[in-house]
Amino acid sequence: KAGVTQTPRYLIKTRGQQVTLSCSPISGHRSVSWYQQTPGQGLQFLFEYFSETQRNKGNFPGRFSGRQFSNSRSEMNVSTLELGDSALYLCASSDYSSFSGNTIYFGEGSWLTVV
Amino acid sequence: GDSVTQMEGPVTLSEEAFLTINCTYTATGYPSLFWYVQYPGEGLQLLLKATKADDKGSNKGFEATYRKETTSFHLEKGSVQVSDSAVYFCALNTNAGKSTFGDGTTLTVKP
Repeated sequence: KAGVTQTPRYLIKTRGQQVTLSCSPISGHRSVSWYQQTPGQGLQFLFEYFSETQRNKGNFPGRFSGRQFSNSRSEMNVSTLELGDSALYLCASSDYSSFSGNTIYFGEGSWLTVV
Repeated sequence: GDSVTQMEGPVTLSEEAFLTINCTYTATGYPSLFWYVQYPGEGLQLLLKATKADDKGSNKGFEATYRKETTSFHLEKGSVQVSDSAVYFCALNTNAGKSTFGDGTTLTVKP
């Protein structure tokens, strides 16, 4: 089974621009969640989608948004980029199974640098 | 709310030394517990997990036991290798879609 795939892996954007990151979950997984990782703040939960509905949301401003498609692929968007948005953005998927302990599996991440 | 507290790093050990990274948690309900490992420039990889009290997760020589009475899930390895150098994250999940992570512990193993 292929793992979680994220694109692009690396990107550089200018302040004020917007960015869209893409995530393809493990086949059969319907839950996709997004995390932001920075050296100072560690891993912070952004949001989670299940069957195209946002089910959980972290404490991020409205500039951060996401969506999920019927094939479970997900995108996240950050508008009006700020320097502080520079981070590794991680996508994770889960089969939402209590049998597996609700294990989430991560992709390699998308490195965003805002200049 | 849910929280995970990990032993602060960095941790530096010599090859073949014994490793312990402490992890304690606070959670409502009955969480599943996880250890993830992150190598430089990569995403997080699941190392091991335990889904109920007294379960022991193990993988690649690493072990951790789910201790409900002490709300702990300490990671151990009997003999570390240089290739184990990485950042280790303890995590819990009580809600399928949202996992809570510790701050991570950086391990460096010197030959």
